[in-house]
Amino acid sequence: GQNIDQPTEMTATEGAIVQINCTYQTSGFNGLFWYQQHAGEAPTFLSYNVLDGLEEKGRFSSFLSRSKGYSYLLLKELQMKDSASYLCAVSPGNTGGFKTIFGAGTRLFVKA
Amino acid sequence: DAGVTQSPTHLIKTRGQQVTLRCSPISGHKSVSWYQQVLGQGPQFIFQYYEKEERGRGNFPDRFSARQFPNYSSELNVNALLLGDSALYLCASSLEIAGAHEQFFGPGTRLTVL
Repeated sequence: GQNIDQPTEMTATEGAIVQINCTYQTSGFNGLFWYQQHAGEAPTFLSYNVLDGLEEKGRFSSFLSRSKGYSYLLLKELQMKDSASYLCAVSPGNTGGFKTIFGAGTRLFVKA
Repeated sequence: DAGVTQSPTHLIKTRGQQVTLRCSPISGHKSVSWYQQVLGQGPQFIFQYYEKEERGRGNFPDRFSARQFPNYSSELNVNALLLGDSALYLCASSLEIAGAHEQFFGPGTRLTVL
């Protein structure tokens, strides 16, 4: 089957660093995405990993290990506006059909 | 540039009715995907259309169908509505087929089935 697991909720303090983990099992792999979704809004793209390693984009970094079926999203210098759900998504590619499979999301609460 | 647009914003239907949701992708984007999102869950993939052809289908019953038009806009149809179809329906567009390309989501259509 196709499965993506990520923690349901996390809490962190403003100015701190938080790591949101994601593990996946899919038939085929064509890339892993992270999206941010504020309550009542549509998801917005944060990052994309297709090769192993770390991709850095300002305060956000995403890591991928294909052999372990594992990724994490690292958020630095947390701000109150980072309170949102973070969605891990995998594209299995043509071997698994051209679809994108999303995890249930991790709700991050940033406290002062 | 305009982002992805969806209509209507909200919709209330009763069980057994049929509904059509519409999506206009970002100009130049050839791929449109549809997702269903219930509260507290991630989006569930329904369909992907690329160059007017269905290129991916999720685990949804045949009551769900879609199509993509020559201008790349898309419609999602749901027949014989059930209470469980109540959800936010998201449309997302991408430049090419959404495997290695980020998707841009529209604001969604909130469907309530009574």
